[in-house]
Amino acid sequence: QVQLVESGGGVVQPGRSLRLSCVASGFTSSGHPMHWVRQTPGKGLEWVAVISYDGNRQYYADTVKGRFTISRDNSKNTLYLQMNSLRVEDTAVYYCARGVYSSGWSDALDIWGQGTMVIVSS
Amino acid sequence: DIQMTQSPSTLSASVGDRVTITCRASQSISSWLAWYQQKPGKAPKFLIYKASTLESGVPSRFSGSGSGTEFTLTISSLQPDDFATYYCQQYNSYPITFGQGTRLEIK
Repeated sequence: QVQLVESGGGVVQPGRSLRLSCVASGFTSSGHPMHWVRQTPGKGLEWVAVISYDGNRQYYADTVKGRFTISRDNSKNTLYLQMNSLRVEDTAVYYCARGVYSSGWSDALDIWGQGTMVIVSS
Repeated sequence: DIQMTQSPSTLSASVGDRVTITCRASQSISSWLAWYQQKPGKAPKFLIYKASTLESGVPSRFSGSGSGTEFTLTISSLQPDDFATYYCQQYNSYPITFGQGTRLEIK
């Protein structure tokens, strides 16, 4: 069964760090770009970051650039999101998603994890 | 960044109705548009890519159309399972951007 499972969410104080993980199963994640997308409670979807299939290229939303780092370990079929200098406004459910049907620049997202909640609060 | 605007924000309809949701891009995105369905507490589900291609396993009552800056998602005959929130997403360029969502509720 093709699936993504996130972990690592929790409650953290502003300014602190957290690392999210996303384990892929049922497919070889090294064949796909992988994304993080977040959703504020009761609000819409915000794309966060993408990493190329080989890990050599990353792109970030301006709201997280310089604070978040996306990485992957293809030997473990695992995607990561290192989140530093967390802010209250980073509070959200974080989803990892598989990129497919590339436009040559970006992707549609066909498989999503169940999400992991991050709460940034003092 | 490319802004995606959906209308309406909320749509009330009955089982069996035909409904259409519109998504507009702030600049041309060719056909690089996807649609998703999301139910409360669940991850988005992938429905359509390249504006009009149905993902495998998605019921044929769903269809998409459009190119450039204006796109539509149509559900030909609403089923009880279709009441959810729908999002469009452009993947013409980074950053990926989503519409604000259209909540489809039971009339």
